Amino acid sequence: NAGVTQTPKFQVLKTGQSMTLQCAQDMNHEYMSWYRQDPGMGLRLIHYSVGAGITDQGEVPNGYNVSRSTTEDFPLRLLSAAPSQTSVYFCATGSGGTSTDTQYFGPGTRLTVL
Amino acid sequence: AQTVTQSQPEMSVQEAETVTLSCTYDTSESDYYLFWYKQPPSRQMILVIRQEAYKQQNATENRFSVNFQKAAKSFSLKISDSQLGDAAMYFCAYRSAPGNTPLVFGKGTRLSVIA
Repeated sequence: NAGVTQTPKFQVLKTGQSMTLQCAQDMNHEYMSWYRQDPGMGLRLIHYSVGAGITDQGEVPNGYNVSRSTTEDFPLRLLSAAPSQTSVYFCATGSGGTSTDTQYFGPGTRLTVL
Repeated sequence: AQTVTQSQPEMSVQEAETVTLSCTYDTSESDYYLFWYKQPPSRQMILVIRQEAYKQQNATENRFSVNFQKAAKSFSLKISDSQLGDAAMYFCAYRSAPGNTPLVFGKGTRLSVIA
């Protein structure tokens, strides 16, 4: 049982390049989300999904695309990377909407855009 | 939209002493959940404690306890008998209820523990 995995752990891109940050979970959780963490800004929601085929925008969605074709995977796509997207990215999953629902976080991906 | 404010960017505490981290939030909802997450240098997000808004009793987890003041929209975290391993970033977070809803985070408080 791996929980929430994110790949890669580190990535350096040049401006204009594209890439996909991977997030996978083996807990059969319906809810998955992507956050970015910047110094002094806390964690800000990019996109989230409440189930396969359903996605919605968060606070900072511009420049990012997502899709949810399976319960297990929720990839985050950067179509044309910009230096402003330099950040640490976290994927989080949750099993339901009750108070006992703990959201589990992946280990994060540190992305640098030059 | 809900907002979470942590007014202390940095705090420090002597080992074995007690420290309180502040958090306020703004919402028009009556049913919600509040959380404190710890982020050590490893970057991993670790749930410390949670509180359901409908419960008047303050949550407690070992050395960690909260002071939940619903009318004041305040949710502070008290760490007793501080240990070196408590040094980390601490984030306060809000989530609407019910259903699958995202967490809204504060900007965090960096806690240093002095030996």
